[in-house]
Amino acid sequence: DGGITQSPKYLFRKEGQNVTLSCEQNLNHDAMYWYRQDPGQGLRLIYYSQIVNDFQKGDIAEGYSVSREKKESFPLTVTSAQKNPTAFYLCASSLGGGSPLHFGNGTRLTVT
Amino acid sequence: SQQGEEDPQALSIQEGENATMNCSYKTSINNLQWYRQNSGRGLVHLILIRSNEREKHSGRLRVTLDTSKKSSSLLITASRAADTASYFCATSPGGSNYKLTFGKGTLLTVNP
Repeated sequence: DGGITQSPKYLFRKEGQNVTLSCEQNLNHDAMYWYRQDPGQGLRLIYYSQIVNDFQKGDIAEGYSVSREKKESFPLTVTSAQKNPTAFYLCASSLGGGSPLHFGNGTRLTVT
Repeated sequence: SQQGEEDPQALSIQEGENATMNCSYKTSINNLQWYRQNSGRGLVHLILIRSNEREKHSGRLRVTLDTSKKSSSLLITASRAADTASYFCATSPGGSNYKLTFGKGTLLTVNP
């Protein structure tokens, strides 16, 4: 089945540690995205990538980093510089700009 | 920044009734999309309406768009318990089709 796989589903880290969230898609989509969702809130865009080897900052990129070395993979690193990293992280992909997004089932990150 | 704002924040209805959710936005858009999110899961795309369209149907869903009022509505007819979820509108502002902006959502509860 085509889709987006995020792993792990739950992730726990100590404050001060960097952590990398995985996102893989087999939909052959060019564009990929990372969103953050806090309780009772909408989604906020962290980073997006229109094509391999290219990515742009979203609305809340500070404290995060990404890479896009392969079309199917778009890992997100939450660095120790991110002040409030505990959140639900959603990865998505699309054929292109303005197209519907296909989402993974998210990674819930807890930092203590 | 969150462009779309859904109203109401929460809605509780009986099975078989219709549910209407509204979305308002601030700037011009290329298209507007509606998504559903079951608790703890990723979002699922429901319907996309372009800025030059006024109404669109998909199964039990009916979406309207009024660009003069910068608003959209999602109507779910003959609701079922399985429709219980959060519903989000997302707008693609002119200038950058990749930066889809989500509202905070409407939590719909359909009671059996």
